[in-house]
Amino acid sequence: DIQMTQSPSSLSASVGDRVTITCRPSQSINSYLNWYQQKPGKAPKLLIYGASSLQSGVPSRFSGSESGTDFTLTISSLQPEDFATYYCQQGYRGWTFGQGTKVEIK
Amino acid sequence: QVQLVQSGAEVKQPGSSVMVSCQASGDTFTKYTITWVRQAPGQGLEWMGRIIPSVNIRNLAPEFQGRVTLTADKSTNTAYMELNNLRSDDTAVYYCARETTTFKGFDYWGLGTLVTVSP
Repeated sequence: DIQMTQSPSSLSASVGDRVTITCRPSQSINSYLNWYQQKPGKAPKLLIYGASSLQSGVPSRFSGSESGTDFTLTISSLQPEDFATYYCQQGYRGWTFGQGTKVEIK
Repeated sequence: QVQLVQSGAEVKQPGSSVMVSCQASGDTFTKYTITWVRQAPGQGLEWMGRIIPSVNIRNLAPEFQGRVTLTADKSTNTAYMELNNLRSDDTAVYYCARETTTFKGFDYWGLGTLVTVSP
């Protein structure tokens, strides 16, 4: 099984901050990496697929990148509606989610 | 607009079974894969398995093999997930989602179905 290690597990930030969340797979996943946002009581929402492609309708302040073995989700300027939990997901072999990162208001 | 409409909340006894349905509309059902994800209270997301309705091919996560059955009815555009031998730790929200290609993740989700397992 491919394990996904996501960090941090939580963070506190202010509106306007730049936020980065990292995900590291236990083996190579060839850019089969997606990012989701989930708000309490709601279904997850796809933000980024294929490591860096922005899903249709998602604001451009969200971006994804890959560097070596690590994948990063960046929110360039945090907005009030971005306070949520974020999950990475690999799709290279089966599907595995990271543990999640809760983004809270500082 | 693609919609995935799931069946309502269930309360089940330990050892029993539950079936959750997921009816798709707004696109051709047989063009994509329906995948199932669950989330226990306060916990993360756990992929359970997927079914490709057009060819009736299924894949299950190892931890669910032998306990989960996935089916699809092309005549009603409905997918089903049956979980057997329920335990208290199966209490969770169960989601269905659409998977167009492996590279593109899960782009549409149902609202979720809460399954509570309690004596």
